[in-house]
Amino acid sequence: DSGVTQTPKHLITATGQRVTLRCSPRSGDLSVYWYQQSLDQGLQFLIQYYNGEERAKGNILERFSAQQFPDLHSELNLSSLELGDSALYFCASSLRGDLFQPQHFGDGTRLSIL
Amino acid sequence: AQKITQTQPGMFVQEKEAVTLDCTYDTSDQSYGLFWYKQPSSGEMIFLIYQGSYDEQNATEGRYSLNFQKARKSANLVISASQLGDSAMYFCAMREGGTSYGKLTFGQGTILTVHP
Repeated sequence: DSGVTQTPKHLITATGQRVTLRCSPRSGDLSVYWYQQSLDQGLQFLIQYYNGEERAKGNILERFSAQQFPDLHSELNLSSLELGDSALYFCASSLRGDLFQPQHFGDGTRLSIL
Repeated sequence: AQKITQTQPGMFVQEKEAVTLDCTYDTSDQSYGLFWYKQPSSGEMIFLIYQGSYDEQNATEGRYSLNFQKARKSANLVISASQLGDSAMYFCAMREGGTSYGKLTFGQGTILTVHP
């Protein structure tokens, strides 16, 4: 158990809909990261937050947004969903945001778009 | 160019034997971190081991060791005394400084199958 909690574990929805994925980091971790894993793209970094502020951004679509709240939990919002958004979405956390610390991953949210 | 290259799509090993999973990386940064993760068929990502670019000694964590050859830009994972539960996908990943700060860049992964 990594200590990172993601909900829900599975999500099935339709094209055009909007969903929210939730992540609670390990106790004491200030930095939260979101990744997308798909068969064709592999594991792709989406965005990083550190202590409530956006720190780094990857190839995150404009239809996607995220935030980190004062209690350090984070939410990833996906809107106008397309079939290609079907993927496993991971949240990870680390104590700080620097290079030399491992990121610990949650179990992921599997999103299926019908 | 690929930042992380894992050239072995699949590897097979006999139970109790050692196995090496290859990883080469590409960066012009002096400061970077190298990581290995395990992803079982159930889907979760499990952190295994870390090596910093300034670390002179190879990292070890139980049955896992990281064979770090900086000049060759390789960071191979060695699993000793393989167990059936080691069967999984293994990812090599790198964190760099500069504008890439924050993200892990992953390789395509190697599927390891341990035979009894």
